[in-house]
Formats: sequence, C-alpha cells, structure tokens
Amino acid sequence: NAGVTQTPKFQVLKTGQSMTLQCAQDMNHEYMSWYRQDPGMGLRLIHYSVGAGITDQGEVPNGYNVSRSTTEDFPLRLLSAAPSQTSVYFCASSKGVGTRSYNSPLHFGNGTRLTVT
Amino acid sequence: AQSVSQHNHHVILSEAASLELGCNYSYGGTVNLFWYVQYPGQHLQLLLKYFSGDPLVKGIKGFEAEFIKSKFSFNLRKPSVQWSDTAEYFCAVKRSNDMRFGAGTRLTVKP
Repeated sequence: NAGVTQTPKFQVLKTGQSMTLQCAQDMNHEYMSWYRQDPGMGLRLIHYSVGAGITDQGEVPNGYNVSRSTTEDFPLRLLSAAPSQTSVYFCASSKGVGTRSYNSPLHFGNGTRLTVT
Repeated sequence: AQSVSQHNHHVILSEAASLELGCNYSYGGTVNLFWYVQYPGQHLQLLLKYFSGDPLVKGIKGFEAEFIKSKFSFNLRKPSVQWSDTAEYFCAVKRSNDMRFGAGTRLTVKP
C-alpha cells in the first residue's frame, strides 16, 4: 500500500494562476480531507469528503474547490491563486465516516509546499 | 465552533527531563482525542488516541496522555525525553467528520 500520495511536492505559482493539487489513497478510506499548515496556526481544515460525490467545507474553504468523483481521489483546486495561499497543504484520509469514524486516525500524505508570488 | 488550545508554543528541555504538553478543547459533546507528531520535513504521524474507556492512554515511543473530561483537557506526557523527540506536537479533537488541530507545540530537546 502506498497510503496517501500527494503531488506535486513543491509548486510555485504567480498570483492569479490556477492549479490542482492531487491526492490519492489506496486504503479504500471513505473520509478524505485537505488541511493547510501555517506557522503558529497548526493545521486548518479546508474541505473534506465523506464519500464519492459528497464534499463539505471546513474552517477555511474560501479560494479552494474540491470534488470527489472516486473513492480514491480528492483533488484540491485553486482557481485564482493569491499570496495568502502560500502554505503547506496536507491531504489526509481515514476509515469510516460520522460515528463510524471514531477511533480512526487520519493518515497523512507527505504534503505539497505551495508558494504564490 | 470547536477550538483546540495548546498553551505552549515552544518548549526547550534537556535530555532525560520530563515533558508535559497541555491541550484543552472547547467542544462539549462526544469527541475523540489525538496527539500527532511531526518530525522536521515530514508529515504528521499518530502518537496516540483516546476513544473511550481508561482515560490514561499509552502511545508509541513512551508517550502517554490523560483525558480529564471535567477540564476538557488531554495533556501529553513523557517521563524522560530524548534528543530524537525534537519535533512539533499537535493535539487534535474529532467530532463526527470534523477534526480540528491545535496550533502545535515545538519541542526542542538539547543533548
């Protein structure tokens, strides 16, 4: 099992450009999520999904879109990048959703470091 | 909205010293509690978790945490730290599909 795979590892964008951060998991996890990590702020939840075709917003969803067409993939799209989106982005997945997800920890990808100039 | 507070931003200890990192959360319902560790340049890894039962939870690498429901706390402890414990530690609280993290505590262990 590869676990949670994120690509790319590094990305530099100019303000206004768009891009998609890819995330795939091979553990058949129902739950997938995206976090951004900024110094002194920990990890903040951007969007999450409890299954194919179902997504919801987290703490900081503005400027980001997601979709979940398959169980395995959960891409994060930046439609018009801004310097405030410079961050490290982590995708994470876990088994089960709702109360069935209790006792299921998140499995994290290795992160994507994004710089917007 | 639930929040997770970690009171120590940066802790510096010498090897063999004891460690306690504080974590408090604001949500009053049924929650799962986690501690994750992030070594430099790596992703988060699970240290330990609390679901139910014994409020004293033992994790990997000699870490343990105690859930005190009345204080909404889940403090992380280790009796004797090692240089290799240098990392950032995150407390996390999960309710249903929503998992929130604290801001993290950076631990530096001096050899």
